[in-house]
Amino acid sequence: GDSVTQMEGPVTLSEEAFLTINCTYTATGYPSLFWYVQYPGEGLQLLLKATKADDKGSNKGFEATYRKETTSFHLEKGSVQVSDSAVYFCALKGSTLGRLYFGRGTQLTVWP
Amino acid sequence: GAVVSQHPSWVICKSGTSVKIECRSLDFQATTMFWYRQFPKQSLMLMATSNEGSKATYEQGVEKDKFLINHASLTLSTLTVTSAHPEDSSFYICSARDSANTEAFFGQGTRLTVV
Repeated sequence: GDSVTQMEGPVTLSEEAFLTINCTYTATGYPSLFWYVQYPGEGLQLLLKATKADDKGSNKGFEATYRKETTSFHLEKGSVQVSDSAVYFCALKGSTLGRLYFGRGTQLTVWP
Repeated sequence: GAVVSQHPSWVICKSGTSVKIECRSLDFQATTMFWYRQFPKQSLMLMATSNEGSKATYEQGVEKDKFLINHASLTLSTLTVTSAHPEDSSFYICSARDSANTEAFFGQGTRLTVV
């Protein structure tokens, strides 16, 4: 079945460091891929998405490229800020009812 | 983007009582709504999927008589936790999608504490 495997955290970085959070997926067909961010005590917000192979999603300095050959959708940011501290979820939208499958989430803490 | 409003944001209730959580789509018609449960430091677990005017489809292991879901209109879905117990304490999040099926929008979540 469809599933997402996400790098476990927590991840702790200094401000302006480079960030990579790995995400790989298993799916039938051609899923859409997403990264969501969850700030403390809040729901999820869509950070970026990609709907087909080789697409690059980007937002707020974050990027992720849909790699079909490696079934990956790694999240990257060149220079993190304290305000980026949150939990990040990788997700795929499967073909069955269009439901979302989430990874376990990665806690990111950025220190000044 | 579209807005999904979830209410209340937190609630404390006594064991044995029922709690209703509302999820509203404010500026679009939500033909499909999803209810998730999130345990501390864990991912979201899909509880059920509901389509407007139909009975909800529950995931395996989720008690439909305990977690009552109603999706009576295109802008409102409710989750009622019946006869709540401390083990039901969790963070519940709703998500809504329109008929274009392009993206799901999430509510702010509800922190339920059963004492």
